[in-house]
Amino acid sequence: QQQVKQSPQSLIVQKGGIPIINCAYENTAFDYFPWYQQFPGKGPALLIAIRPDVSEKKEGRFTISFNKSAKQFSLHIMDSQPGDSATYFCAATPDSWGKLQFGAGTQVVVTP
Amino acid sequence: GAVVSQHPSRVICKSGTSVKIECRSLDFQATTMFWYRQFPKQSLMLMATSNEGSKATYEQGVEKDKFLINHASLTLSTLTVTSAHPEDSSFYICSAPTGFSYNEQFFGPGTRLTVL
Repeated sequence: QQQVKQSPQSLIVQKGGIPIINCAYENTAFDYFPWYQQFPGKGPALLIAIRPDVSEKKEGRFTISFNKSAKQFSLHIMDSQPGDSATYFCAATPDSWGKLQFGAGTQVVVTP
Repeated sequence: GAVVSQHPSRVICKSGTSVKIECRSLDFQATTMFWYRQFPKQSLMLMATSNEGSKATYEQGVEKDKFLINHASLTLSTLTVTSAHPEDSSFYICSAPTGFSYNEQFFGPGTRLTVL
């Protein structure tokens, strides 16, 4: 049973568009929510992470929105570029030392 | 970010042989490392937690006698797939919490195992 539900499974946007990936969780003990980007044949790379005491965090073109009451969080990729085409995973853990529970992943394709 | 390396990046072996995969934290010490397996177009599945100086803890359904883990130092964990079979073919990835800031976990580049 997946503890973190991620959607959509895939999405295609044009260059400059804003892909949005959503994740939801049930376990209120989760306290740390990272996002990872993975290219084919490579390990996941940490993109950005958030704790539930903030509602939004931005790093470069990547923004996490966090809704604690709804137990949902999302990743926005601003001004998307073809080089952003990758699989994105959300994750959650009770603390950042703990085991990461991953979402199913979203394959993002940014067309030129 | 912190650097985690894996070796080898790719290995092809015959059925019945054992394969060792190394995971190293290059610029930090890691008392804990995690091992994952990822099948094509699927998410990462946690196999086990590697603990420096003590036994690894395995997730439910993962055979500890088949996937041997040794965390001999603060910068090295090894995963040995014993008596490998074609169904063990997968992408194996390790990760380590860095101890920086919020102890972000960084992942190695992965090892592609193909068992013929």
